[in-house]
Amino acid sequence: DQQVKQNSPSLSVQEGRISILNCDYTNSMFDYFLWYKKYPAEGPTFLISISSIKDKNEDGRFTVFLNKSAKHLSLHIVPSQPGDSAVYFCAVRISGSARQLTFGSGTQLTVLP
Amino acid sequence: DVKVTQSSRYLVKRTGEKVFLECVQDMDHENMFWYRQDPGLGLRLIYFSYDVKMKEKGDIPEGYSVSREKKERFSLILESASTNQTSMYLCASSLASGGTGELFFGEGSRLTVL
Repeated sequence: DQQVKQNSPSLSVQEGRISILNCDYTNSMFDYFLWYKKYPAEGPTFLISISSIKDKNEDGRFTVFLNKSAKHLSLHIVPSQPGDSAVYFCAVRISGSARQLTFGSGTQLTVLP
Repeated sequence: DVKVTQSSRYLVKRTGEKVFLECVQDMDHENMFWYRQDPGLGLRLIYFSYDVKMKEKGDIPEGYSVSREKKERFSLILESASTNQTSMYLCASSLASGGTGELFFGEGSRLTVL
């Protein structure tokens, strides 16, 4: 039973344009939502997070939007740069859960120069 | 900065061999985790530990065991490696509570079982 789904395995975007990565979840008990970025042969690195009590969080070129009624999370990257090419994972946390995070299957973003 | 160090970046083993993957973190985190990453399947939790000598099964524990004798060290053991355990293995650590639940990952260990 997948609690977190990233339905697009890949996305290609032109440099300078907006990249939008999407994530759907099933459980209303999640209290934090996170995005991680992963380059090949490296571990994932934390990118940005949002609390369930907010609907938007911004950090430079990265903005995360949370639509609780639709149980939908999205990451916007503006403007996209070739160095943003990586696999992006969304992750969710249930408050008080010892296992911490559950990850989606990832989306490979390719930013074309 | 948090540092999570995995002992081997690349390993090649034969079917049936015993494999040890070591992970050390230097931030006094209570929680430690082992994930494997496979294309199209994301990050799947194998085992985690919230204290020394404590361990909990994750989503895919079959064929694996773990050991946590010291707070900073968490080892993943493949008792008898099989070809379907060829994967990227990722160790992570985090604080016990508070914050966003952010995990800090090591650089990964790419295991190939022939």
